Amino acid sequence: SQTIHQWPATLVQPVGSPLSLECTVEGTSNPNLYWYRQAAGRGLQLLFYSVGIGQISSEVPQNLSASRPQDRQFILSSKKLLLSDSGFYLCAFFRDRPYEQYFGPGTRLTVT
Amino acid sequence: EDKVVQSPLSLVVHEGDTVTLNCSYEVTNFRSLLWYKQEKKAPTFLFMLTSSGIEKKSGRLSSILDKKELFSILNITATQTGDSAIYLCAVLLGAQKLVFGQGTRLTINP
Repeated sequence: SQTIHQWPATLVQPVGSPLSLECTVEGTSNPNLYWYRQAAGRGLQLLFYSVGIGQISSEVPQNLSASRPQDRQFILSSKKLLLSDSGFYLCAFFRDRPYEQYFGPGTRLTVT
Repeated sequence: EDKVVQSPLSLVVHEGDTVTLNCSYEVTNFRSLLWYKQEKKAPTFLFMLTSSGIEKKSGRLSSILDKKELFSILNITATQTGDSAIYLCAVLLGAQKLVFGQGTRLTINP
């Protein structure tokens, strides 16, 4: 079965500190992978998507970056967090059956 | 710019009421429209609509798409407190990208 993992589940980081969030997918090969951010009470904002290893498309200019070092691994990073980076970060991929964009459990990031 | 707009942004009703949530879109290269329900964590998939006029149903929830007028509605009948959630509408574009609306926060009071 196709599954998606994200960690950590929650994170509290000071302003100016680095960030690394990891997402891995199982049960599929060469998936399209996505990072979203959701501010409190708002919709999902697409940050990055990747159609293959080393291929990253950025949707929103910001101080975040993404990398895809392996086929089923997607990493979201920052060198220096801002207060505005707080939010709920979701990783996703397209699952075959049913055909839907399937989300990981998410990471709730609070920047203090 | 691709845009998905949901209304209302927030809705409070009593248990047993029927609600209608709206989603309109302006996008290039439309493939399908998806509805998600989000409670405390990650969104969970409800429906995918690709063709106009064909209603999708799952229990008390149903949804329909109008590709001529560029909108979709999600209906929930006989609402229950467990229906309280954020309902997200998203449009799937040709590049397998999803563009989300802002969501409708639905609260069902007992």
